[in-house]
Amino acid sequence: QSVLTQPPSVSGAPGQRVTISCTGSSSNIGAGYDVHWYQQLPGTAPKLLIYGNTNRPSGVPDRFSGSKSGTSASLAISGLQAEDEADYYCQSYDSSLSGWVFGGGTKLTVL
Amino acid sequence: EVQLVESGGGLVQPGGSLRLSCAASGFTFSSYAMIWVRQAPGKGLEWVSAISGSGGSTYYADSVKGRFTISRDNSNNTLYLQMNSLRADDTAVYYCAKDKEVVVTAITDYWGQGTLVTVSS
Repeated sequence: QSVLTQPPSVSGAPGQRVTISCTGSSSNIGAGYDVHWYQQLPGTAPKLLIYGNTNRPSGVPDRFSGSKSGTSASLAISGLQAEDEADYYCQSYDSSLSGWVFGGGTKLTVL
Repeated sequence: EVQLVESGGGLVQPGGSLRLSCAASGFTFSSYAMIWVRQAPGKGLEWVSAISGSGGSTYYADSVKGRFTISRDNSNNTLYLQMNSLRADDTAVYYCAKDKEVVVTAITDYWGQGTLVTVSS
């Protein structure tokens, strides 16, 4: 059971907008620790998508955006494309565990 | 171009040891913290360990504390993970990753391709 909870799967048609939630607690997201998001395409290493809740590394399209409120964070993907089909993970720091934690991951299917 | 190349994975018996290496190039190695993350077959990501750019600060997940040791050789641009008392649930692909900062933030902007560790008799 992951400390950060994500839905196992989400889906959307090309061109649509989807959101992936990441729910934490008062020892991680709710404590003010930043949330980061990673995309893992099939058979490849993860790639940093969003860091510091809302920041995109250079090269990441602005179709990807992040937000954070209270004990939760969200990743939004607009203008869905077939190549967005991947697993997405949120990450934060947990003070109770004194370490960094990942969400369980969400599989995005583009219909 | 940043490159991270892991090596040292393989098949090991329960209770055995293995040392993973990660050869880094394309950036000033000592200026960045480094991270190990693992992924069990068909499962999600798990943060394992982290080390600051100087090597003076190290961090471990509870699941590996006391069994794994992270270290780095800044003169040879290499990151290590010494794994002892291996268990079946340590079976995973192990990724090394570069942090964005010299102190550990665990914001990892570059990843290696991973090396598979299988613990089985």
